[in-house]
Parts: sequence; structure tokens; C-alpha cells
Amino acid sequence: SQQGEEDPQALSIQEGENATMNCSYKTSINNLQWYRQNSGRGLVHLILIRSNEREKHSGRLRVTLDTSKKSSSLLITASRAADTASYFCATVLYQKVTFGTGTKLQVIP
Amino acid sequence: DTEVTQTPKHLVMGMTNKKSLKCEQHMGHRAMYWYKQKAKKPPELMFVYSYEKLSINESVPSRFSPECPNSSLLNLHLHALQPEDSALYLCASSQGSSGSFNTQYFGPGTRLTVL
Repeated sequence: SQQGEEDPQALSIQEGENATMNCSYKTSINNLQWYRQNSGRGLVHLILIRSNEREKHSGRLRVTLDTSKKSSSLLITASRAADTASYFCATVLYQKVTFGTGTKLQVIP
Repeated sequence: DTEVTQTPKHLVMGMTNKKSLKCEQHMGHRAMYWYKQKAKKPPELMFVYSYEKLSINESVPSRFSPECPNSSLLNLHLHALQPEDSALYLCASSQGSSGSFNTQYFGPGTRLTVL
């Protein structure tokens, strides 16, 4: 299975701290994406990193990709209570999209 | 308009019922997806339509039948479901191509309960 494993499964931090989530996967990819999901709702795309890229930034988000280790990380800097959500990585290989197991982030005000 | 809409928001059905979930997007996207998500689990890909043709079927039971009437609409027809099919059903769309798929835009989902 291509499904990615994410760790930690759950993360609780104080507002203002940084949050780091990791994603590991098993096979080749075309790109890797990170999504956010608030409880029981649809997913929101955060950032896409292509297989030939190593790092990407978007606002308070920083994503890294190491294809040799088949891993990616998502860093959220200066977290806010509104960042509380589940975060999923998704690997894309041609038309197939596979989501990782997710990290549940709680940011305490 | 960057919105994907799904109807209904909630659906309760018996095991002998026939119902349909609907999804619509007006972003000109040519790839549309159905996912199933159980509580506290990641979304699982069910079907992918590319240019209105079914391109991926992840071995989903035949009691789920997708349909793509045109490039803006995606339906999921449900028949003789089981209680274990209760889940959040998510629709998504992306620009789509025969190669690497890009950013997906998700709808809010339909919460399905099978009694």
C-alpha cells in the first residue's frame, strides 16, 4: 500500500509555538500535498511540493521533501488556536492519490 | 468560483433503499474524485473520473455506482448498502491531466448513515 504514515498521531502545543508533522511513504511519487481538515468537514489544500523540489514555503507553512528517505515534513510556525485541526499528507502518483494516517493538532490558547 | 458543492449534507437510508449523492464544480476542472472517510481515518480513494471517463476504480463494491453526466457533475448512486458503509463521502476536483494530478478542491462531504 502507498498509504503514508504520519507522526505524531496527535500533537498538543501552546499558541505561538511551532508544530512539526512528519509523513513517510512507500513508493515513488509525482508530488506530495498537505491538507487540513476541521472536524467532520471537507479538506482544504495547504501546499503542494513536486518530487524534484526539496523545500517550499507558504506563509507560516514550510514543507520539506526527501525522496531518498521517502519522507516529508510540515512545519507550522507561530501557531494559532485556529490552526487546531487534523493534517494529512497525500502522495500523488499519476492519477492515484493516497492519504496518510493524519496528525491531530491541538493549539491551546 | 473555487467551490465544490455536495448534496445532501446528511443522508440516512435503509439497506434496501436506493439513493444518490451529488457533487458539482464550476472551476472547469476535468478530474473528479469520490472518497470515503470513516471516523478518525484518512480519506480513501474510491473512484477517479478524468475527462468524464472512469479512470480509477479502487475495487469498490458494485453497490456503489459512480456516474459523470458532464464535466461539472459527479454522482454516486447507492443501492443495497450495509451499515459498515456509513461514513463521510467526500467529492473533490482538480485540473486533471493524464499525468500528475494537481491540487484537489474538496466539497464539505455527505454524512451517510445506513440503518
